[in-house]
Amino acid sequence: DADVTQTPRNRITKTGKRIMLECSQTKGHDRMYWYRQDPGLGLQLIYYSFDVKDINKGEISDGYSVSRQAQAKFSLSLESAIPNQTALYFCATSDLTTDTQYFGPGTRLTVL
Amino acid sequence: AQSVAQPEDQVNVAEGNPLTVKCTYSVSGNPYLFWYVQYPNRGLQFLLKYITGDNLVKGSYGFEAEFNKSQTSFHLKKPSALVSDSALYFCAVRDPASHRGGYQKVTFGTGTKLQVIP
Repeated sequence: DADVTQTPRNRITKTGKRIMLECSQTKGHDRMYWYRQDPGLGLQLIYYSFDVKDINKGEISDGYSVSRQAQAKFSLSLESAIPNQTALYFCATSDLTTDTQYFGPGTRLTVL
Repeated sequence: AQSVAQPEDQVNVAEGNPLTVKCTYSVSGNPYLFWYVQYPNRGLQFLLKYITGDNLVKGSYGFEAEFNKSQTSFHLKKPSALVSDSALYFCAVRDPASHRGGYQKVTFGTGTKLQVIP
């Protein structure tokens, strides 16, 4: 997990607030992902990025936006948070030659 | 569309006994299959994967998984469970036939909580 870090680890916010979750990696991977985890639903892909100039929507991108500031940094924003965005958010990376994903420790977000 | 199912929300096993965590999948082509483990307050960690070759795949921490094409299953196994194996386990599948802009989507199961009882 130390190779992929996420900040903050926990966040409580109010409906309508703008929130940014940050992810940094030292694995040197080009590919980065944002997932959300809800109990009983597994992981759902929000956005993914193959490099700094390549960003793509995942399964559940509505209400979210991302920014790939550098190869090592990929941030997720909630422009106007709503309660059903309360979840555990994970950042992950992978390289071009393997299929293995490496996950950060997660950010627990609560929207009141 | 590809899918993966973990039919058991929770599996309880006594320490020292063999354990099995079940996974079945559905893809249009030949699957790439993965197992990940999630310990409390941690991100998912890679355990093992099947791409091709021997149907029995060995992974980290003494875990192994058997690919069964006829039954479309990829069950996770360990001969002797440890209390420290208690965690949430996720099966995942990637369908190489689902090419989309270079990204072949990975679908995760809903997870199975493994409880090893001392």
